[in-house]
Amino acid sequence: EAEVAQSPRYKITEKSQAVAFWCDPISGHATLYWYRQILGQGPELLVQFQDESVVDDSQLPKDRFSAERLKGVDSTLKIQPAELGDSAMYLCASSLGDPSTDTQYFGPGTRLTVL
Amino acid sequence: AQSVSQHNHHVILSEAASLELGCNYSYGGTVNLFWYVQYPGQHLQLLLKYFSGDPLVKGIKGFEAEFIKSKFSFNLRKPSVQWSDTAEYFCAVNRGTNAGKSTFGDGTTLTVKP
Repeated sequence: EAEVAQSPRYKITEKSQAVAFWCDPISGHATLYWYRQILGQGPELLVQFQDESVVDDSQLPKDRFSAERLKGVDSTLKIQPAELGDSAMYLCASSLGDPSTDTQYFGPGTRLTVL
Repeated sequence: AQSVSQHNHHVILSEAASLELGCNYSYGGTVNLFWYVQYPGQHLQLLLKYFSGDPLVKGIKGFEAEFIKSKFSFNLRKPSVQWSDTAEYFCAVNRGTNAGKSTFGDGTTLTVKP
């Protein structure tokens, strides 16, 4: 069964350092999502792509976060510089086409700890 | 902005007990509703979803949910839980517009005692 791949699974960094996360969605899925999940809370959407275009990044802290999906396939989320409050699980998900009705398939996540 | 409330943060049940997890949302227009589950050590996965039609939706593993529009609710139910249902459950809502952006609740942790 096809799965969403994410790497690394765990990342420990010091504040002010740069970090990057990678996501490879299920083949053929046009919509890709990056979520941040703080312990004890539900996933919060950071950015949503339709193919290579950003369709929603209203909750992305653009002063330090950036995301790209250059060829409309895999995606990278970057934080520079990292802050203590960025410690969280970063989840990637993908869906086939219509983001309002299609099932989102989640990856295992990247657990970020900022010291 | 839309919000999703899951009032039960942690539920503990014995096997064979009935389950109902609450989910309320704030948006008054047309909504699409989802329940996701995360078993220990596994990814978030879809349990069931509702777009239109019969407000009683059946999902995997014997779960069902009922959409009550007048109460802005989409509660999850299972008549008899098993130890293997121990997991975290998330309710999610999107409006069908706004690029289908989903808002998740904070989750309910279910512990089923054998």
